[in-house]
Amino acid sequence: DTGVSQDPRHKITKRGQNVTFRCDPISEHNRLYWYRQTLGQGPEFLTYFQNEAQLEKSRLLSDRFSAERPKGSFSTLEIQRTEQGDSAMYLCASSFPGKETQYFGPGTRLLVL
Amino acid sequence: AQSVAQPEDQVNVAEGNPLTVKCTYSVSGNPYLFWYVQYPNRGLQFLLKYITGDNLVKGSYGFEAEFNKSQTSFHLKKPSALVSDSALYFCAVRDIGPRYSSASKIIFGSGTRLSIRP
Repeated sequence: DTGVSQDPRHKITKRGQNVTFRCDPISEHNRLYWYRQTLGQGPEFLTYFQNEAQLEKSRLLSDRFSAERPKGSFSTLEIQRTEQGDSAMYLCASSFPGKETQYFGPGTRLLVL
Repeated sequence: AQSVAQPEDQVNVAEGNPLTVKCTYSVSGNPYLFWYVQYPNRGLQFLLKYITGDNLVKGSYGFEAEFNKSQTSFHLKKPSALVSDSALYFCAVRDIGPRYSSASKIIFGSGTRLSIRP
């Protein structure tokens, strides 16, 4: 396992459709984070998990967004009824217990038409 | 609230010259500071971090950063720039997490685009 992986890398969808992204963290990393990055901006925090528990959610995470990490390994981020404003890069990161450094995946770029 | 500021949107340097990318921070308590780099259409790569100890932190690809508490700065430096260093650089700070968890999110600056000309 060489790093955090995300799938798909790119997603184009029509407004109103639902999309789901997957993140596989580095093995033995019990913490998993989701961020969103829009063009020309730094990443903004969405939510994070410690094992299967979702411990914090940003106000950016509207009711249309839901994240899960059912077995404490991979995580999914679902966006329901997508809007054009959801177009962004969605980044996943993971970290080892007791360590501060987060390691990022390549991201999923979402375009909502 | 924890925050970082990157005052320069873009930095242009000639190859072989030293480079500096600036970052200032505002934190409650002890700062945990990071630098990440992002190449086009890719995720963020960790460069280095400061948690405690020596004020000069060495990281990947020959980069280093100097923590200055009196100036609340954490500037990224490299003695001799390479064209391949051209990328988007983010300064970041660890936020204070909830009491029930030692984990916490990272707050990023707006980024500085570094351009190295041959």
